[in-house]
Amino acid sequence: QSVLTQPPSVSEAPRQRVTISCSGSSSNIGNNAVNWYQQLPGKAPKLLIYYDDLLPSGVSDRFSGSKSGTSASLAISGLQSEDEADYYCAAWDDRLNGVVFGGGTKLTVL
Amino acid sequence: EVQLVESGGGLVQPGGSLRLSCAASGFTFSSYWMSWVRQAPGKGLEWVANIKQDGSEKYYVDSVKGRFTISRDNAKNSLYLQMNSLRAEDTAVYYCARELRDYSNRFDYWGQGTLVTVSS
Repeated sequence: QSVLTQPPSVSEAPRQRVTISCSGSSSNIGNNAVNWYQQLPGKAPKLLIYYDDLLPSGVSDRFSGSKSGTSASLAISGLQSEDEADYYCAAWDDRLNGVVFGGGTKLTVL
Repeated sequence: EVQLVESGGGLVQPGGSLRLSCAASGFTFSSYWMSWVRQAPGKGLEWVANIKQDGSEKYYVDSVKGRFTISRDNAKNSLYLQMNSLRAEDTAVYYCARELRDYSNRFDYWGQGTLVTVSS
């Protein structure tokens, strides 16, 4: 059971928009920044979004993040086949004194 | 170019020990916190441990406290994870990751991972 809760899977057609939710609590998302990671099949994770809604250099602006209270969301617009991956949210947890991850969401581009 | 290369994984019996290494290059290793993150087969990511730039602070996930020890050698640009009393549930790919702590605790570079299998 992961500390942060994500849907196990989402799917959408190419060129459409999809959102992935991440739910936490006051000790993590409610009080700390959220980061998102993309893990392509067989690869190491890659930082996708940091500090709730900032994009690292080189990341496509088709990706965006938002946060409200103890929940966060990742949105991907203009879906492409290469976006098929597992997506993880993460945040520092003040009570556990460590980084906690969501269980991951598998994105399928239909 | 930032590179993190893990090594030391393999098959070990329950109760055994293993030492993972991570060789860093392309950045000033001694200026960054470093972490180990693991991923059990077919499962999600789990942060395991991290260490401050000078090694003076170390933190662990509860499930490995007292069994795993994180360390670093800044002269060798290397990060280590000593794993003792290994259990089946420690079976995972272990990633070395550079940790940034400015706006948020995040991992901006990851190694390719090394597989640890705990089985008799």
